[in-house]
Amino acid sequence: GAGVSQSPSNKVTEKGKDVELRCDPISGHTALYWYRQSLGQGLEFLIYFQGNSAPDKSGLPSDRFSAERTGGSVSTLTIQRTQQEDSAVYLCASSRPGSNEKLFFGSGTQLSVL
Amino acid sequence: SQQGEEDPQALSIQEGENATMNCSYKTSINNLQWYRQNSGRGLVHLILIRSNEREKHSGRLRVTLDTSKKSSSLLITASRAADTASYFCATDVRRDKIIFGKGTRLHILP
Repeated sequence: GAGVSQSPSNKVTEKGKDVELRCDPISGHTALYWYRQSLGQGLEFLIYFQGNSAPDKSGLPSDRFSAERTGGSVSTLTIQRTQQEDSAVYLCASSRPGSNEKLFFGSGTQLSVL
Repeated sequence: SQQGEEDPQALSIQEGENATMNCSYKTSINNLQWYRQNSGRGLVHLILIRSNEREKHSGRLRVTLDTSKKSSSLLITASRAADTASYFCATDVRRDKIIFGKGTRLHILP
């Protein structure tokens, strides 16, 4: 596709359920980022991938959060045993090889935990 | 953790006026970027300024960088209704780790 694609665009789940969010970066982009944005707030860094490896996982809020990337392309962010405070927009971005100078963002997944 | 802090948090100006937003950061950087976000979804890259640059222009945008003060400013000249959005600065705290500030919400009044 032409841009970063995220799915689903909206997800409503019950507290305690697991959810999986997907990000399909721009073809050829080796760096991939996940951010979380609560209503009216800034972007909270979660994790980034360089290829399939994640050099920095320090932003993941708890061990209920995990992320993986396979084939240097699609990434999934998994939240286990969701809590109400997990409700937010989860944004994914990618950038070209060797460049962190311009991130291309997807439209995000709005997660609502009831 | 937040690296950048934008100021002000919110700004309302009349159409046609200039809008200035500021960003302060904590650590050394290679570059600083500004992004715009409409309707709380995906961000769009506006402009990048490198640590060895002091000023950069792009259309109606002017960005300055003062590395001694660890601060940057974004000026939007001759504002338009379409400029209503949230604006974020982003810094590379180390290679490939991009941290965003909390943003400035800009509202252009007709």
